[in-house]
Amino acid sequence: GAVVSQHPSWVICKSGTSVKIECRSLDFQATTMFWYRQFPKQSLMLMATSNEGSKATYEQGVEKDKFLINHASLTLSTLTVTSAHPEDSSFYICSARNSGYEQYFGPGTRLTVT
Amino acid sequence: GQNIDQPTEMTATEGAIVQINCTYQTSGFNGLFWYQQHAGEAPTFLSYNVLDGLEEKGRFSSFLSRSKGYSYLLLKELQMKDSASYLCATQTGANNLFFGTGTRLTVIP
Repeated sequence: GAVVSQHPSWVICKSGTSVKIECRSLDFQATTMFWYRQFPKQSLMLMATSNEGSKATYEQGVEKDKFLINHASLTLSTLTVTSAHPEDSSFYICSARNSGYEQYFGPGTRLTVT
Repeated sequence: GQNIDQPTEMTATEGAIVQINCTYQTSGFNGLFWYQQHAGEAPTFLSYNVLDGLEEKGRFSSFLSRSKGYSYLLLKELQMKDSASYLCATQTGANNLFFGTGTRLTVIP
């Protein structure tokens, strides 16, 4: 149990376009979902926290108008990178949590912006 | 504020024991996690400590001292597949995780 999926697993897009990444909890209801970004050889940096049906809470320095997060249901959250630029190229990982303390991580999405 | 310090890299021999240390300064501390992450993959949960002491789980053990802001992950009977990054993360009262930069462990024959 406690499986989290992400789609797509990797994506290449052109500079200026938008990309949507989906995060799904497959066998549990996730009251809270988290979005992280990880640059090569660096650790995970929390971008935002989202609770179902409410606006996401963004970490300092993360542009909410650039990284749009929607948590429409208890099993789905989406991250849209708008007007992507090469510096947005990174490994994006989501995690989901139900009522417990543990976060279950998705397999990640590697975004490359050309 | 939040701060976590871990060694950047460690090397150990197959079959040996290795201890990965983590010191932290976290406001609103509400627990400490250890995750394993292989290159290009998402982290996988190893352990969670919220009280002082040692938690043992098979070949992996984790220790916490809240008064010292210190934790370690102990890996016994090292295997080649244990080569990975090990991430120390603190949980705040808001239940968010703050990750350290990770320790890249290389297991050699």
